[in-house]
Formats: sequence, structure tokens, C-alpha cells
Amino acid sequence: DTGVSQDPRHKITKRGQNVTFRCDPISEHNRLYWYRQTLGQGPEFLTYFQNEAQLEKSRLLSDRFSAERPKGSFSTLEIQRTEQGDSAMYLCASSATSGGSLWETQYFGPGTRLLVL
Amino acid sequence: DQQVKQNSPSLSVQEGRISILNCDYTNSMFDYFLWYKKYPAEGPTFLISISSIKDKNEDGRFTVFLNKSAKHLSLHIVPSQPGDSAVYFCAASAGTDKLIFGTGTRLQVFP
Repeated sequence: DTGVSQDPRHKITKRGQNVTFRCDPISEHNRLYWYRQTLGQGPEFLTYFQNEAQLEKSRLLSDRFSAERPKGSFSTLEIQRTEQGDSAMYLCASSATSGGSLWETQYFGPGTRLLVL
Repeated sequence: DQQVKQNSPSLSVQEGRISILNCDYTNSMFDYFLWYKKYPAEGPTFLISISSIKDKNEDGRFTVFLNKSAKHLSLHIVPSQPGDSAVYFCAASAGTDKLIFGTGTRLQVFP
């Protein structure tokens, strides 16, 4: 299976702790996106990378959130000093921007479900 | 500001009949539209997409229609099958940009 993978699938933590999630995109996909989904809502954009460069961050991404994609392959999303409001499904997606294409399709991983107690 | 709206939270359809899921958008810069299917505790699965230069795109049982003047798109599933029961999300983007999602429509296909 060469789809997007995410690890861990589930994470329970106590308020104030730090957590880190990992995403492995589809091979050779140069773009990687992070989204967050809460109950009853659609996924909301957090940030995205083109290769190793972080090109956009949502205002949803507070100072406690940081994302990296150091070698342009996998990415990590870290949340420091977690709060109960951080409880959500964190989704990773990847896409390939092929030369001259005006549009791209994003393919999602299975998500990491975070519960902050 | 909800730029992509799915006004029907749920839809119930009998097996074999047509399912029609609707989506409205407000941002005229959107030029690429996608439908995703989502099961509980899983990530969204890409179903079908349409660009603004088309008004219809088909893939097997799934057809997406785009009405740019009305800023409206719809997903038709025919015939509907019990395995189609899931939450369906409409998403839109402006060029090669982030996706903006609707709030989803829960489809239930009953025998």
C-alpha cells in the first residue's frame, strides 16, 4: 500500500503535555497538508509544505503548534502544552503538482485522533 | 464565514435509487471541486472531482455536476448501494491551494 500513512492512529494525553504526530505522504508527492477535524465539522486547513518549505499557516495554528518537513518527505506536527480544545482528528494529505497542471487532488491519510484529558 | 456549504446534514435513500448530494459555495475564485467519502475513524477518501472548465464529470456510478452561475455542485450516485452509507464532504480550492470543506452530509442507503 503506497497511500498516505499517519502515526499514531490514536493518542490520549493529559492537558499540558506535548504530543507529536507523523505523516508519511505518497512517494514523490511534493506537497503535504495538515488539516484538523472536529465533531460535526469538515476538515479545516492548518498548514502545508511544498517539498521542505512551509508555504502557508492558518490562523488556527497557534504558537503551540509547529510543523516540519525537514527533508521534503515525511512531516511532523507537534502540539506543545496541549489543551482540551486540541482534541480532534488530525489529518494529513499529500498531492503532486505536476508541471503545467492547474489543479491537484489531495489524498488523505487515516488520521490521528487526539484526546486531551 | 462558511465558503462551502452543505445544507443537508443527512440523506436517506433506498438501495437502487439515486442519491443526490448538494453543495453551494460563495467564493468565485474556487475553480476545482472535489467530493470525499468518509467512514468513522478514517480519513476522507477521494471520490471524484471537477474543474471549472467542465460542467459534468462521470466515474462509474458517480457523477458530479457543476453550475458556476449558481455556485452550486451536486454529486449523483446511481444506483445507490448499502456500502455507500458514509459522510460525504464537498471541498473546493482556488488553483493548487488548500481545500475548503463543507460540513458534510451523512448518507444512509437502506435495503
